[in-house]
Amino acid sequence: AQRVTQPEKLLSVFKGAPVELKCNYSYSGSPELFWYVQYSRQRLQLLLRHISRESIKGFTADLNKGETSFHLKKPFAQEEDSAMYYCALSTYGQNFVFGPGTRLSVLP
Amino acid sequence: DAGVIQSPRHEVTEMGQEVTLRCKPISGHNSLFWYRQTMMRGLELLIYFNNNVPIDDSGMPEDRFSAKMPNASFSTLKIQPSEPRDSAVYFCASRPGTGLEKLFFGSGTQLSVL
Repeated sequence: AQRVTQPEKLLSVFKGAPVELKCNYSYSGSPELFWYVQYSRQRLQLLLRHISRESIKGFTADLNKGETSFHLKKPFAQEEDSAMYYCALSTYGQNFVFGPGTRLSVLP
Repeated sequence: DAGVIQSPRHEVTEMGQEVTLRCKPISGHNSLFWYRQTMMRGLELLIYFNNNVPIDDSGMPEDRFSAKMPNASFSTLKIQPSEPRDSAVYFCASRPGTGLEKLFFGSGTQLSVL
């Protein structure tokens, strides 16, 4: 079965510090991995996906098949990055599975 | 395109009443998903459709919940009777096919059952 885990419910960093949001997945095949972001009271929107290397706002993520991880990184956090971040997995013909989410708080 | 459209944006109702949430996917999209978001449980998949056919409804909490997709441009999620524990934000999302495309989300319906 497909599963996505995000070990941190809440992550606080200071402005300008590097940030890494962890994501691990379990699936025996070759999934597509995504990161979605949800700003306060807004809809979820795509932040980046592995297959197309789409990225916005300076975030990157590398798929590590050996560790089955897809951690999200940004070298210098900004206050406007404060939001809820969801890692997600999709496989061909199957549903779209989200992790529990990590709330990122960037402190001034 | 206006994106995925959900209505209403907010719904306040009393326990025992019927609630109907509506979703219009992006034109041409073949897959539609319903999610429920709460602080305690995060984002839960309730049901998804491919080409108007329900594929997986194992996330539907109980018989009080039902979802339909009578055509490619409209879906409903109904709760009857509603209970206070159903209070949550309900999101609808769609994507072009059944492959590896990204999901496009609606703005959600904030449901409060008193």
